Amino acid sequence: NAGVMQNPRHLVRRRGQEARLRCSPMKGHSHVYWYRQLPEEGLKFMVYLQKENIIDESGMPKERFSAEFPKEGPSILRIQQVVRGDSAAYFCASAGLSIENEQFFGPGTRLTVL
Amino acid sequence: AQSVTQLGSHVSVSEGALVLLRCNYSSSVPPYLFWYVQYPNQGLQLLLKYTSAATLVKGINGFEAEFKKSETSFHLTKPSAHMSDAAEYFCAVRGGLTGGGNKLTFGTGTQLKVEL
Repeated sequence: NAGVMQNPRHLVRRRGQEARLRCSPMKGHSHVYWYRQLPEEGLKFMVYLQKENIIDESGMPKERFSAEFPKEGPSILRIQQVVRGDSAAYFCASAGLSIENEQFFGPGTRLTVL
Repeated sequence: AQSVTQLGSHVSVSEGALVLLRCNYSSSVPPYLFWYVQYPNQGLQLLLKYTSAATLVKGINGFEAEFKKSETSFHLTKPSAHMSDAAEYFCAVRGGLTGGGNKLTFGTGTQLKVEL
């Protein structure tokens, strides 16, 4: 059973470009969480999605950031017009249906904005 | 709302010595508590979790943690450190079955260094 997959593992963008980060949850998992880890900091929650629904986006910046988890395919975290401050590691975690189910983390995407 | 405080951003121990990483939490609902380990350039791996069952929780790699409600603490310990334990450790809290949502709130992490 493959774990949570994220791609790309490393992404370099110039200021003003768009970044698309993909997350494929573990088989059978329908809950996806995105977290951001800034340098020298812990992980901060961004958004929680279930298939085709955003459940909690309280951690998402108000502008330029969006997330989706379509019925088919991976979850996408999209950052438009990236700025240097967006440079960070972005982690995706997936969980099963039960509220007790732990979150399994992917290896992360390290975004560098030049 | 939940929050986590990890005392000591850097901890250094000798190989074979006791490891103690501190975590205090704040939660308005009975919490679920977690310890994760992160090796360089990798994702987070779950070490152990507390979900309101036994207060002493045993995890992988010889780690354990004790939930102390009176002290609002969930400190991580290991009797004898090994070089392979060098990594960053994160404590996290989540609202339990009674509410608080599913998102994890993390501490700022403790970098563990193990010296010969």
